[in-house]
Amino acid sequence: GAVVSQHPSRVICKSGTSVKIECRSLDFQATTMFWYRQFPKQSLMLMATSNEGSKATYEQGVEKDKFLINHASLTLSTLTVTSAHPEDSSFYICSASWWGGAASNEQFFGPGTRLTVL
Amino acid sequence: GQNIDQPTEMTATEGAIVQINCTYQTSGFNGLFWYQQHAGEAPTFLSYNVLDGLEEKGRFSSFLSRSKGYSYLLLKELQMKDSASYLCAGLVAAGNKLTFGGGTRVLVKP
Repeated sequence: GAVVSQHPSRVICKSGTSVKIECRSLDFQATTMFWYRQFPKQSLMLMATSNEGSKATYEQGVEKDKFLINHASLTLSTLTVTSAHPEDSSFYICSASWWGGAASNEQFFGPGTRLTVL
Repeated sequence: GQNIDQPTEMTATEGAIVQINCTYQTSGFNGLFWYQQHAGEAPTFLSYNVLDGLEEKGRFSSFLSRSKGYSYLLLKELQMKDSASYLCAGLVAAGNKLTFGGGTRVLVKP
């Protein structure tokens, strides 16, 4: 099946620093990758949609200058949380899909990255 | 908007059946997904309904009525490991995005 990895799985950083999270599709080429954020006991909230070779599309209320997304290849997207603050502490999950996927646009999720900002 | 509503929590007994309902606004969605998520882990795919009717996969079944904006996930022969959150998600036709409901936490008791 389609496998998506994320690195790191956990990260703790000081307030004001930047953190980069990688999302990789291991056995398929992902035309589209999605970035979600999930706070405790809440559901997934879509932050942005990333298509290879083009600028990411951000959801309303998500600061594009704070959450930098790069999708340089069909197997890698990165999310950089710039000048992180404690309120950015969350579970960040990526997913990947490709047009014409077997389950009609099914998204395959990475294992998530737990970010804690001190 | 495209709100998706599902109950917050449900409790059931091991071996029993539980039905998790999901309602949504009918415009704008191109199918309905159900995911299972254990605490601290990413969601795992359970089912996808694009046409009306019931889809059965072992102990899990999912139903969709597009005209009523209604779906349910049926879990049979509950096991302790089924204790998790179950997320209903609509596939937005424009942009191929998923809009998630708040999730239903299911607790299976012995």
